[in-house]
Amino acid sequence: GNSVTQMEGPVTLSEEAFLTINCTYTATGYPSLFWYVQYPGEGLQLLLKATKADDKGSNKGFEATYRKETTSFHLEKGSVQVSDSAVYFCALSVSGTYKYIFGTGTRLKVLA
Amino acid sequence: ETGVTQSPTHLIKTRGQQVTLRCSSQSGHNTVSWYQQALGQGPQFIFQYYREEENGRGNFPPRFSGLQFPNYSSELNVNALELDDSALYLCASSYGQDSYEQYFGPGTRLTVT
Repeated sequence: GNSVTQMEGPVTLSEEAFLTINCTYTATGYPSLFWYVQYPGEGLQLLLKATKADDKGSNKGFEATYRKETTSFHLEKGSVQVSDSAVYFCALSVSGTYKYIFGTGTRLKVLA
Repeated sequence: ETGVTQSPTHLIKTRGQQVTLRCSSQSGHNTVSWYQQALGQGPQFIFQYYREEENGRGNFPPRFSGLQFPNYSSELNVNALELDDSALYLCASSYGQDSYEQYFGPGTRLTVT
């Protein structure tokens, strides 16, 4: 079946540190991959996406590259800010289906 | 362009009661999906409605039911509430039944006591 595995949190970093949140997936077919962010008390916001192998999604300094050979979609940011503190969800959607499969989320805490 | 809205924001119910949650889809979208997000977990797919018909369902019992209206807004109904139904319920809208890009509302926080 289809599934997403994320690294467990919380991840605690100092401001301006480099961020990596690992995400790997299992999917039948050709998935589209997403990172969503959830701030405290809020719903999900799409952060970035990639729809085919080797695509790089990017937004607000965050990047993730769709790696088919390693079935991964790791999220990176070169210099985190306190305002990046949130929960990050990796998700996939397989063409021909109608739903997202989410990982369990990774909480990021950035300290000033 | 109006985004996805949900009501109410918070709700407290007693075990055994019934609840209705509402969602207005983003302008131009004809598909609505519902997800349940338990505390500390990722969202789990409940079902999807496309043009007023259920288009797919996740692993949830029949006491979870839904509707979509001609204006593409939607309701999620849960009967015989259980304590484990306490969660954030998220609605997402998209265009088309196989769209990979869904836009989420802020959610309804349901607490069952």
